[in-house]
Amino acid sequence: GQQVMQIPQYQHVQEGEDFTTYCNSSTTLSNIQWYKQRPGGHPVFLIQLVKSGEVKKQKRLTFQFGEAKKNSSLHITATQTTDVGTYFCARDNYGQNFVFGPGTRLSVLP
Amino acid sequence: GAGVSQSPSNKVTEKGKDVELRCDPISGHTALYWYRQSLGQGLEFLIYFQGNSAPDKSGLPSDRFSAERTGGSVSTLTIQRTQQEDSAVYLCASSLAASGGAWETQYFGPGTRLLVL
Repeated sequence: GQQVMQIPQYQHVQEGEDFTTYCNSSTTLSNIQWYKQRPGGHPVFLIQLVKSGEVKKQKRLTFQFGEAKKNSSLHITATQTTDVGTYFCARDNYGQNFVFGPGTRLSVLP
Repeated sequence: GAGVSQSPSNKVTEKGKDVELRCDPISGHTALYWYRQSLGQGLEFLIYFQGNSAPDKSGLPSDRFSAERTGGSVSTLTIQRTQQEDSAVYLCASSLAASGGAWETQYFGPGTRLLVL
């Protein structure tokens, strides 16, 4: 189907450590979006990747789209307590509805 | 400008009652989406509107769920004869457009927390 998988499901890190979450698809993606949801909040758009091998950075966050456009990653350098939340990747379904991954829940211990 | 708004923010109802959840998208956004999120879970797609039409209703869990959108703006999600398993946060999102393979950023509302007793 059009599902996307995310690993890990949960990640606990010490503040200052790095964190990476991966989004994988069995089929080629036209593009991928990443969202962050803080505890008790709603998803907020972070970034969209379109091109094969694309890398985008937002301060301590680095987003990458695989060469085959079947996977993507989000890497956070030197995590802070403000990074706590669930990170979702999302793929489009033939330009109509969206399919969200199950998310990776990040907790940061101070 | 104003973001996506949803009402009510919280709803407690008794099993078997009907509920209506409302979503006001960002002005000018033609695409509108409804999702359901159970506690600690991911986002479950329910239905998508492009303008007033719903090309994709595949995510609606049962025929107790229905949604409409009028005037290309406000949308209402109705759950009839609510069951305890309907308890979840119902999120609405809107985007500028979603057609021809191109898709835009989704802006989410704060959600409606539904509890069915």
